[in-house]
Amino acid sequence: EVQLLESGGGLVQPGGSLRLSCAASGFTFSKYAMSWVRQAPGKGLEWVSTISGNGDSTYYADSVKGRFTISRDNSKNTLYLQTISLRAEDTAVYYCAKSSGSSWRNYFDNWGQGTLVTVSS
Amino acid sequence: DIVLTQSPGTLSLSPGERATLSCRASQSVSGSYLAWYQQKPGQAPRLLIYAASGRATGTPDRFSGSGSGTDFTLTISRLEPEDFAVYYCQQYGSSPQTFGQGTKVEIK
Repeated sequence: EVQLLESGGGLVQPGGSLRLSCAASGFTFSKYAMSWVRQAPGKGLEWVSTISGNGDSTYYADSVKGRFTISRDNSKNTLYLQTISLRAEDTAVYYCAKSSGSSWRNYFDNWGQGTLVTVSS
Repeated sequence: DIVLTQSPGTLSLSPGERATLSCRASQSVSGSYLAWYQQKPGQAPRLLIYAASGRATGTPDRFSGSGSGTDFTLTISRLEPEDFAVYYCQQYGSSPQTFGQGTKVEIK
């Protein structure tokens, strides 16, 4: 059974930083692209970032480019999202999502339960 | 970026009725790379349909997807109590991948 467990969310001041983690199990982690998708309170889904299975390719939404960095440690079956220069509009539940294949052009077939990031003074 | 517009915003129906949800793209979706997700309050999204019409593992056969190009439809043939939720479409054929704003299916 695929399991994705996010951690690292919390309350942070504007301009601050957080590192989100997603521990994966139940599948061969290195074979699949992984992504972060966020959802602001009461709003819809927004794709944030994707990393290929081997970690060589990364992709970002324009809204986070230059502030967020996605990475993965295939030896630890863990996905990360390093966030800096956080803004109020980054407040959201951040979901870790497994892609159906190794590249970005895939749908999300499994999702974690999410971790809440609140940016507020 | 491809903009996905879902309609209606809210669909009020009774259990046993048929639900038809629309997802229209601002430009053609490459390869019919379109997925549908279901989200219930307080839960993560769950994949229902991929490649416009493929049912994901565990998706009941009362859910069906159709369409190509710019117009896609999710149909729920007979609503069960557990189907009342928000539904999102997503295109993953062009970068950046994008989601529609969602359709809420509520109990009438």
